[in-house]
Amino acid sequence: DIQVTQSPSSVSASVGDTVTITCRASQSITSYLNWYQQTPGKAPKLLISAASNLQRGVPSRFSGSGSETDFTLTISNLQPEDFATYYCQQGYSTPPLAFGGGTRVEIK
Amino acid sequence: QVQLQESGPGLVQPSETLSLTCTVSGGSIRLYYWSWIRQPPGKGLEWIASIYYTGSTNYNPSLKSRVTISLDTSRSQFSLKLSSVTAADTAVYYCARGVYDSSGYVVDPWGQGTPISVSS
Repeated sequence: DIQVTQSPSSVSASVGDTVTITCRASQSITSYLNWYQQTPGKAPKLLISAASNLQRGVPSRFSGSGSETDFTLTISNLQPEDFATYYCQQGYSTPPLAFGGGTRVEIK
Repeated sequence: QVQLQESGPGLVQPSETLSLTCTVSGGSIRLYYWSWIRQPPGKGLEWIASIYYTGSTNYNPSLKSRVTISLDTSRSQFSLKLSSVTAADTAVYYCARGVYDSSGYVVDPWGQGTPISVSS
């Protein structure tokens, strides 16, 4: 089974900052890595698919990159509504449906 | 667009069976995977089970002995049964749609989640 590991588990940042979250797969998943955003009390929402494809309506300050085993989610010019928990998920081989442990972006 | 809505009891007694239903509206059951995913308080996401529209099922090995997922295409619903529940099964339970496309396997959309507490 392919596992995905996120880091850091939490990050403190201020409005306007740039935040980078990484996700590492236990083996190559080509570009099949998805990112989800979960705000408190809400369900996760698909943010980016296939490593870099922004979903409709997602602000351009969000970007994703990477391939094979190493992936990055970058949030530029952090806004108040971006303070949330972010999860990666490998879409290369299921089952199992594997999510990273999550990265909580907190207000500094 | 497609919307998913979970329904469940809220509170379950230890050792009993938890039953959840997800109703799909605004779209077809066909050609998609339908999953249950849970999130214990303050923790991450844990996949429980998935069912393809054909009825083919997959389970998380750690829960497989206690879980049954089923599909009722005529009612656009799928369900989860989790037996012999304990406090460790306390979580928000989400239903979600999955699809393999050019982006690989993507989970979208999700239901709003239903909180389940296991307590006497």
